[in-house]
Amino acid sequence: NAGVTQTPKFRILKIGQSMTLQCAQDMNHNYMYWYRQDPGMGLKLIYYSVGAGITDKGEVPNGYNVSRSTTEDFPLRLELAAPSQTSVYFCASSYSDNNQPQHFGDGTRLSIL
Amino acid sequence: RKEVEQDPGPFNVPEGATVAFNCTYSNSASQSFFWYRQDCRKEPKLLMSVYSSGNEDGRFTAQLNRASQYISLLIRDSKLSDSATYLCVVNMDKGGGNKLTFGTGTQLKVEL
Repeated sequence: NAGVTQTPKFRILKIGQSMTLQCAQDMNHNYMYWYRQDPGMGLKLIYYSVGAGITDKGEVPNGYNVSRSTTEDFPLRLELAAPSQTSVYFCASSYSDNNQPQHFGDGTRLSIL
Repeated sequence: RKEVEQDPGPFNVPEGATVAFNCTYSNSASQSFFWYRQDCRKEPKLLMSVYSSGNEDGRFTAQLNRASQYISLLIRDSKLSDSATYLCVVNMDKGGGNKLTFGTGTQLKVEL
């Protein structure tokens, strides 16, 4: 009963490095999301996808890229890591309906030094 | 004005107490409403959806007031394990994608 799985759980990057945060869900959800949460702040939407091959920007997309080649996977790419991207990243998914709750992975804690 | 506004707390209450949180939202066309619970350094977890007529789940009761644009969460007989941050979450987006707007949360500490 995996739900939404994120890897890695923790990562430290140097400024300018790149990395991909992985997210997979096994609930056959069409909708998937990436959020970041800074200390004491609410979750902010980075990117979202309503299905394979379709992605859209959220509130804070700069510095990130996504792809959605399958229903199950929604990786988030940081190309040139910056200290401002130090945060906790959550992936979520939901059914294709505007009244559905989202279900979250347990997060990736990323530090850029 | 924030789109979803909550009192950050913390609310410090003794075990067994009743505690209530309110949340206001800015968009009168908002469609769906949720309360999530977030433990320290963990992911948000759905506590309950909020329905127009109000709804109850055990010790938790949620209410929606569309006219005043606020939702509430009442916790009866508080347990130590209820200590967490409670997030008010609103779907304000008529477009596709089921995008949710999260409040910054209200912190609850239940004490012996």
